[in-house]
Amino acid sequence: EVQLLVSGGGLERPGGSLTLSCEASGFSFSDHGMSWVRRPPGKGLEWVSTIPAKGDKTYYTDSVKGRFTVSRDNGQNKLSLHMRDLRAEDTALYYCSKGALTTPFDFWGQGIPVTVSS
Amino acid sequence: SFAMTQSPSVSVSPGQTAIITCSGDSLGDKYVHWYHQKPGQSPVLVMYQDDKRPAGIPERFSGSNFGNTATLTISGTQAIDEADYYCQTWDSLIAHYVFGPGTKVTVL
Repeated sequence: EVQLLVSGGGLERPGGSLTLSCEASGFSFSDHGMSWVRRPPGKGLEWVSTIPAKGDKTYYTDSVKGRFTVSRDNGQNKLSLHMRDLRAEDTALYYCSKGALTTPFDFWGQGIPVTVSS
Repeated sequence: SFAMTQSPSVSVSPGQTAIITCSGDSLGDKYVHWYHQKPGQSPVLVMYQDDKRPAGIPERFSGSNFGNTATLTISGTQAIDEADYYCQTWDSLIAHYVFGPGTKVTVL
């Protein structure tokens, strides 16, 4: 059974940093691209970042480019999203999902809240 | 950048057909995936590559994508189908995923 367990969310002040982690199990992690998606309060889904299976490239939505860094450890079956210079508009439920580039997001972890507020 | 539009809401009676559309320039030239999300739950893939149903998704869900419009059809809609539905595509020109704004399906 595919499982994606997300951790690391919470409350942070504007300008601060947080790192989200996603521990994967139930599939061959190193063979699949992974992505992060968020849903701000009262709004729809927003793609955040994608990293292919080998981690050789990374992709970001424009609003987080230069502030967020996606990475993966294929030996530990772990996906990470390091977020710095956080802004109020980064407040959202963040989801880890299996899927990247031409493939759909076929499995999703539980949403983890990130709140940016002073 | 590429953008898609969806009707904000669709209301349907139980047993009737719900039609959810997603529009964008030459959308038919791209693959479109569909997700639904119920309150308090994570999104679920319900259609991929325009017209393919993932394992476990009922046959009442079908999809198409031609011209500028992708369509997700729910035949014989049930109360459990009430959710927010999002279309998604990959814009290869700018290497970005794009989600539609979502359609709230209400089963009256």
